[in-house]
Amino acid sequence: DIQMTQSPSSLSASVGDRVTITCRASQSISSYLNWYQQKPGKAPKLLIYAASSLQSGVPSRFSGSGSGTDFTLTISSLQREDFATYYCQQSYSNPRYTFGQGTKLEIK
Amino acid sequence: EVQLVESGGGLVQPGGSLRLSCAASGFTFSSYSMNWVRQAPGKGLEWVSYISSRSTTIYYADSVKGRFTISRDNAKNSLYLQMNSLRDEDTAVYYCATESNSGSYYILDYWGQGTLVTVSS
Repeated sequence: DIQMTQSPSSLSASVGDRVTITCRASQSISSYLNWYQQKPGKAPKLLIYAASSLQSGVPSRFSGSGSGTDFTLTISSLQREDFATYYCQQSYSNPRYTFGQGTKLEIK
Repeated sequence: EVQLVESGGGLVQPGGSLRLSCAASGFTFSSYSMNWVRQAPGKGLEWVSYISSRSTTIYYADSVKGRFTISRDNAKNSLYLQMNSLRDEDTAVYYCATESNSGSYYILDYWGQGTLVTVSS
């Protein structure tokens, strides 16, 4: 099974900050990497697919990069509504998806 | 508007059974593969099971294989998860999610609100 490891597990930041979350795969997954945002009590929401493609309706302050084993999610200027937990997910072994353990983004 | 509404969760004793349902609307259900994903309290997301649009291909996570059965009824726009021999570690919110693709890139793009399954004596 492909393991996905995110870092950090939690992060404190302020409105307006630039934030980067990292995801590493246990083997090369090319660009088969998605990012989701989840708020408390809500279902996950797709942000980025294919490592760097922005899902329709997602603000352009979100961006993704990487290929192979190392990937990043960047939020260019944090807004209050961005405080949430973020998950990476590999789709290389579709449909046997695996997710990272999550990164909780909290207000400083 | 795409809507997925899960139901059937609740409290069940270890070793018991439960059947979850996911009612779909706002899209052509029979054209989409579907998945179940779960989330234990305070934990991350775990993919559980997959079924293709015509039920010809089915997959399970190793953690539920032999105990859970995924199925669908395209005439009723519904997805199901039959859960048998439930264990404490199956306690989680269970989400149904549609699978779409852009070329060879697959995504879980629409999710239900989830239904809570609690396994406890």
